[in-house]
Amino acid sequence: AQSVTQLDSQVPVFEEAPVELRCNYSSSVSVYLFWYVQYPNQGLQLLLKYLSGSTLVESINGFEAEFNKSQTSFHLRKPSVHISDTAEYFCAVSDETSYDKVIFGPGTSLSVIP
Amino acid sequence: GAGVSQSPSNKVTEKGKDVELRCDPISGHTALYWYRQSLGQGLEFLIYFQGNSAPDKSGLPSDRFSAERTGGSVSTLTIQRTQQEDSAVYLCASRLGTYYGYTFGSGTRLTVV
Repeated sequence: AQSVTQLDSQVPVFEEAPVELRCNYSSSVSVYLFWYVQYPNQGLQLLLKYLSGSTLVESINGFEAEFNKSQTSFHLRKPSVHISDTAEYFCAVSDETSYDKVIFGPGTSLSVIP
Repeated sequence: GAGVSQSPSNKVTEKGKDVELRCDPISGHTALYWYRQSLGQGLEFLIYFQGNSAPDKSGLPSDRFSAERTGGSVSTLTIQRTQQEDSAVYLCASRLGTYYGYTFGSGTRLTVV
């Protein structure tokens, strides 16, 4: 069965600094990968997704993630964070054994410091 | 509707009582999912529906948990004889298909006292 690891439970970073949130998954077959964001006191929202094609995917608010099959990773990056990026970020995966079943990682809490 | 609607938003119940949590997905979304989010934990998969059938019930924590979906729309998650460890936020999500991301509801915060 697939699983998702997010090694960093909390990531503090200064405003305008770059950030990388790490995500690794375990699956040997074709995967779909997602990043979701949960802002304080709000519900989860889809940030970006990888289904196929280009391994680099981008969101509308400046985040990007790169699918690396050999390292089974899907790390999320942003070159310059804003206060408004403070949130919980969840990596998620589904694979061809059951694309309908999406498994989430434990989440990474990103705190942007003014 | 415009979004995924869950009710109630908060529920406090006594240990041993039964509770029903409701999810009203986006119209036309054939897939519906239930997850549980405990304090400081990630999202734990519970069950999903394609139409009215549930191909995978493996995530249900015990036989006290059950779920159904009728008319390809509203779903109910029932927890019988609630225990304190059932306290969590129960999230419902729906999506149009495999290639789409989820749309989540705001969740039901269940507290068992």
